[in-house]
Amino acid sequence: GESVGLHLPTLSVQEGDNSIINCAYSNSASDYFIWYKQESGKGPQFIIDIRSNMDKRQGQRVTVLLNKTVKHLSLQIAATQPGDSAVYFCAENRSYQKVTFGIGTKLQVIP
Amino acid sequence: EAGVTQSPTHLIKTRGQQATLRCSPISGHTSVYWYQQALGLGLQFLLWYDEGEERNRGNFPPRFSGRQFPNYSSELNVNALELEDSALYLCASIRVSDTQYFGPGTRLTVL
Repeated sequence: GESVGLHLPTLSVQEGDNSIINCAYSNSASDYFIWYKQESGKGPQFIIDIRSNMDKRQGQRVTVLLNKTVKHLSLQIAATQPGDSAVYFCAENRSYQKVTFGIGTKLQVIP
Repeated sequence: EAGVTQSPTHLIKTRGQQATLRCSPISGHTSVYWYQQALGLGLQFLLWYDEGEERNRGNFPPRFSGRQFPNYSSELNVNALELEDSALYLCASIRVSDTQYFGPGTRLTVL
């Protein structure tokens, strides 16, 4: 079936290092992808998005890469900080009526 | 701009009771989505309301229902509560883009 999944449930990185969180999707018809950050006890917070006609998009300290050939999405966080510790979700959007979320990857930043 | 708000923050009920959760979307947003986030699981789509109408629902029993009011706020009702209904219930709103913005959630505990 269609799904969005994450390769690593938990990722530990040293403060200052770069983090890479990966996501695989199975529906090649998906045309819009979103990364969310969810801190403990809070709702998901939009980080960055990318449409299927793009391969890369950059934000402040974050970059999303999309590889449609292998249906893979990644979120790169530069110079990871303690405040980046959270669960990160990727989401696949086939139309704005339906969004499918992955389980999430927990990012732990080691001071 | 005020974000999506939800109330109450926490709700404790016993089996068989009914729960009512409320959501106010971002001003100008006409669509509201409800999700269930059980411990260790990804976001599960519950319901989608747009312009006062239910547009879609996820794979949940009929005891999960809701409505959207003329001011676009929304209510989620869960009847005949079961222990496995314990979860974080998230509301998200959207306007014309594909990005959903989430509220902080309501933590429902069923004893």
